[in-house]
Amino acid sequence: QKEVEQDPGPLSVPEGAIVSLNCTYSNSAFQYFMWYRQYSRKGPELLMYTYSSGNKEDGRFTAQVDKSSKYISLFIRDSQPSDSATYLCAMRSGTSGSRLTFGEGTQLTVNP
Amino acid sequence: EADIYQTPRYLVIGTGKKITLECSQTMGHDKMYWYQQDPGMELHLIHYSYGVNSTEKGDLSSESTVSRIRTEHFPLTLESARPSHTSQYLCASKGVRTEAFFGQGTRLTVV
Repeated sequence: QKEVEQDPGPLSVPEGAIVSLNCTYSNSAFQYFMWYRQYSRKGPELLMYTYSSGNKEDGRFTAQVDKSSKYISLFIRDSQPSDSATYLCAMRSGTSGSRLTFGEGTQLTVNP
Repeated sequence: EADIYQTPRYLVIGTGKKITLECSQTMGHDKMYWYQQDPGMELHLIHYSYGVNSTEKGDLSSESTVSRIRTEHFPLTLESARPSHTSQYLCASKGVRTEAFFGQGTRLTVV
């Protein structure tokens, strides 16, 4: 069983929709949670990070962490065609030198 | 914007050739990583380094090797390229108070 599970999609939504992307994890040592956005043929770009349970908002993006359920989400409000990309969740423990564990990535297409 | 650079961006090379993929960062980060990613697939860690003269193999077995002689530089070498090495190679670095930043990747095709 993978430590991090993410639905690979693909997910296709109309412009302006609210998008919900999710990951579950099994390792209770994970304490730091990130979302990366990867456009086709580019490297992943750090979108958001959060270190505690609850919500963190940045513009149209909200990252949500529920450590009790081992579940994280990324919400995109008023989605735009420019949001079309693959979204990767990533997480790591708090120990020094801990490495990132990535989800498989969800491919999102926002249609104009 | 992250200051981490990979060269070349694209490389097509014949079987049996030796190649080195370059990765440099100007942020003074101690930790650097190499990932391999096939199209539409997840990232797999193949090498990492926690500082100068420190290198470790990652989760995915790889025939490549790495070196870390300077903090800012983390090259990856394939002694004899094979078609099975065709993939995208992503370099990343991480500082003490930052999360990992990625380069734009090198897309390698071995013919």
